[in-house]
Amino acid sequence: DGGITQSPKYLFRKEGQNVTLSCEQNLNHDAMYWYRQDPGQGLRLIYYSQIVNDFQKGDIAEGYSVSREKKESFPLTVTSAQKNPTAFYLCASSIGAARGRGDTQYFGPGTRLTVL
Amino acid sequence: GQNIDQPTEMTATEGAIVQINCTYQTSGFNGLFWYQQHAGEAPTFLSYNVLDGLEEKGRFSSFLSRSKGYSYLLLKELQMKDSASYLCAPKSGGSYIPTFGRGTSLIVHP
Repeated sequence: DGGITQSPKYLFRKEGQNVTLSCEQNLNHDAMYWYRQDPGQGLRLIYYSQIVNDFQKGDIAEGYSVSREKKESFPLTVTSAQKNPTAFYLCASSIGAARGRGDTQYFGPGTRLTVL
Repeated sequence: GQNIDQPTEMTATEGAIVQINCTYQTSGFNGLFWYQQHAGEAPTFLSYNVLDGLEEKGRFSSFLSRSKGYSYLLLKELQMKDSASYLCAPKSGGSYIPTFGRGTSLIVHP
């Protein structure tokens, strides 16, 4: 079955520690995205990547870093510089603007990060 | 930037029809998505509109008026499982990435 996976579903970390969230897709999508969702808020774009070895900052990139070494994988690191890291993190992928009608995003199940 | 306005919460009765409105202001326009999100889960794609008019897909329909900066999602024959948040997400001109509204929390009661 094709899809997007994120692991783990729940993650707890101590303040001051970096943590890396995993996102993998086997949909052969070119584009991948990371969003953050806080209670009562819309999804806010952290980083996105249109193609392997390239990525761009979204609206709230400060305190986060990403890599895109493989088409299937787009891990997100939440660094100690991120002031309010506790949130629900969602990864998405899409076929790519050059190829898909509307370029619909498909989401993984999310990782709920709690920093203690 | 974009300004997206949706009601925060709506309630409806099982079997009824509900319309969730979304108004937006974008610099240019390049399509609008609706997603459904159950509590604690990922958003799932419902519809995409790029031209004016109504698109029907089973119990769900989505309408777009580009000149008015307005869209709505129409849910018919409501079921308890339709209780969820509904996210309106327009794309501004020149961008293929949508901006998500805060969502409308729909509560369906018996």
